[in-house]
Amino acid sequence: QKEVEQNSGPLSVPEGAIASLNCTYSDRGSQSFFWYRQYSGKSPELIMSIYSNGDKEDGRFTAQLNKASQYVSLLIRDSQPSDSATYLCAVMDSNYQLIWGAGTKLIIKP
Amino acid sequence: EPEVTQTPSHQVTQMGQEVILRCVPISNHLYFYWYRQILGQKVEFLVSFYNNEISEKSEIFDDQFSVERPDGSNFTLKIRSTKLEDSAMYFCASGGTAYEQYFGPGTRLTVT
Repeated sequence: QKEVEQNSGPLSVPEGAIASLNCTYSDRGSQSFFWYRQYSGKSPELIMSIYSNGDKEDGRFTAQLNKASQYVSLLIRDSQPSDSATYLCAVMDSNYQLIWGAGTKLIIKP
Repeated sequence: EPEVTQTPSHQVTQMGQEVILRCVPISNHLYFYWYRQILGQKVEFLVSFYNNEISEKSEIFDDQFSVERPDGSNFTLKIRSTKLEDSAMYFCASGGTAYEQYFGPGTRLTVT
């Protein structure tokens, strides 16, 4: 059974600080990894994809991938109250099917 | 910016009835998906569709479900003989490649 694990939170971070979100996955053959943001009652919104080991930066967001440790993370710099949401980690399997984590609820405190 | 659209936003139906959920993917996208999310639970993959046929489907996607691309722009999910446990948000997604998927706003299905 392919699994994607995330801490459900909530993770509370002061405004302006760095929020660090983590995800582990079980399928060692996975090659594609995604972070989605989901506001309450809304649909998932793709914010980052990463395919190679290392860091990938996009604005205030940095995704980190370590395939040896089967670990993906998302860093949000200069956190804003509008970043408060549930962050979903999704891992693509060899059939191009996304396996989803349950999400980490992030709360940015003004 | 192009986006995936879904109709209706909310569908209420009685148990045993059939529903059709509609999606208009982003123009020029070739990969289409349906997901569902029961309240408070994980997003669950239902089915993927490429080149006018199903490419993958999950265990959830049994004979009760079917998908269709009737006219080159719409992408529909039909649920026959609905059950209470079918109540969920249903999301359509599309992608220009097999790697990145963009979600529509969802249809909330309530089965009573």
